[in-house]
Amino acid sequence: DAGVTQSPTHLIKTRGQQVTLRCSPKSGHDTVSWYQQALGQGPQFIFQYYEEEERQRGNFPDRFSGHQFPNYSSELNVNALLLGDSALYLCASSPMGQGWTDTQYFGPGTRLTVL
Amino acid sequence: QKEVEQDPGPLSVPEGAIVSLNCTYSNSAFQYFMWYRQYSRKGPELLMYTYSSGNKEDGRFTAQVDKSSKYISLFIRDSQPSDSATYLCAMAPDTGRRALTFGSGTRLQVQP
Repeated sequence: DAGVTQSPTHLIKTRGQQVTLRCSPKSGHDTVSWYQQALGQGPQFIFQYYEEEERQRGNFPDRFSGHQFPNYSSELNVNALLLGDSALYLCASSPMGQGWTDTQYFGPGTRLTVL
Repeated sequence: QKEVEQDPGPLSVPEGAIVSLNCTYSNSAFQYFMWYRQYSRKGPELLMYTYSSGNKEDGRFTAQVDKSSKYISLFIRDSQPSDSATYLCAMAPDTGRRALTFGSGTRLQVQP
């Protein structure tokens, strides 16, 4: 059973550029969430996608946008990159079911460095 | 003040010791509490998931929630060098499927 996968593993960009990160959820999961984890910090919630729509959003600027495809995979786009966007970007998937024990399972992350 | 506070450590213990990791929080709406383990340069791995107050045990791990004190704990018995990692607490108000609020993580080192 494949877990959450993310690509690429590492990425180096320069200020002002745009970047796209990709995520495939765990088998059987239809909800994808994105988190940003700065060095030495806990992950911060960016947004969540379900049924190809953004359902919940954290405190991130509009430069951060996303998309979910019919096969439940997702993309995170960041425009006009800033040095402060350097971080580990984590994708998490979960089933949008009724079980109270359902929670989020994380991928290995994409490490983005902005120079 | 952050919604979830967690001592960053590092916490260094000898192999076989009992480890206690803790988080405090300010948002009384939090009902779902999770502990994740994160190895260096890897994604977080879910360890324990509890709802409301009480204890939950899974092998060497025990999670405790005290909502009256807004305090959660993770205990690791018979700690092993392979337990060396960063431990993140996370919580949510209505379900673990929604946005999680994380602590900053505690780095644990288990010395052989």
